[in-house]
Amino acid sequence: EVQLVESGGGLVQPGGSLRLSCAASEFTFSTFEMTWFRQAPGKGLEWVSTIGGSGGDTNYADSVKGRFIISRDNSKNTVELQMNSLRAEDTAIYYCAKGQWGDCWGQGTLVTVSS
Amino acid sequence: DVVMTQSPLSLPVTLGQPASISCRSSQSLVYSDGNTYLHWFQQRPGQSPRRLLYKVSNRDSGVPDRFSGSGSGTDFTLKISRVEAEDVGVYYCMQSGHWPLTFGGGTKVEIK
Repeated sequence: EVQLVESGGGLVQPGGSLRLSCAASEFTFSTFEMTWFRQAPGKGLEWVSTIGGSGGDTNYADSVKGRFIISRDNSKNTVELQMNSLRAEDTAIYYCAKGQWGDCWGQGTLVTVSS
Repeated sequence: DVVMTQSPLSLPVTLGQPASISCRSSQSLVYSDGNTYLHWFQQRPGQSPRRLLYKVSNRDSGVPDRFSGSGSGTDFTLKISRVEAEDVGVYYCMQSGHWPLTFGGGTKVEIK
């Protein structure tokens, strides 16, 4: 069974940085795109970023472009999201998902941006 | 950006009765390869989202056959033939044919 386990969330001050990680298992990681989604408290789902299987192709939502960087390590089956210049509106549960279409989602990690 | 509009916002249903959720896109979701990249997700209370259907009507593994999807172009529907208690939650449609990927606002299904 596919497993995705996110980590790295926490409380950070506005303007600060955080690095999220997602450990994947039970599928051929390098052959799948990986995606980060997020969900602000009490709100709907929002796409954040997608990375291709080889890591060379990335896409970002306008709301995070220039501040967030997605990367992956196919030798470790991990995908990461480096989040810089964080804002209050980035407060959300961040989910990593297998594929561009969200085949399978992790349990999420909460990021709170507050002073 | 492709705007996804779901209706209704809230859907109270009686156990055993059918339910239907509409999802409309601001532009056609038929991609140049002929596929339509419209997917449906279920989020039960306190849980992560789970995909139910991909490319309009293909059920994911383990999804009960009471869930079905239909539609084309800009107009799509998720149907639950007979609602069960475990179907309570919020349902989202999502398009992945155009960047950025976009979701509908969600439809909350609850039992009357």
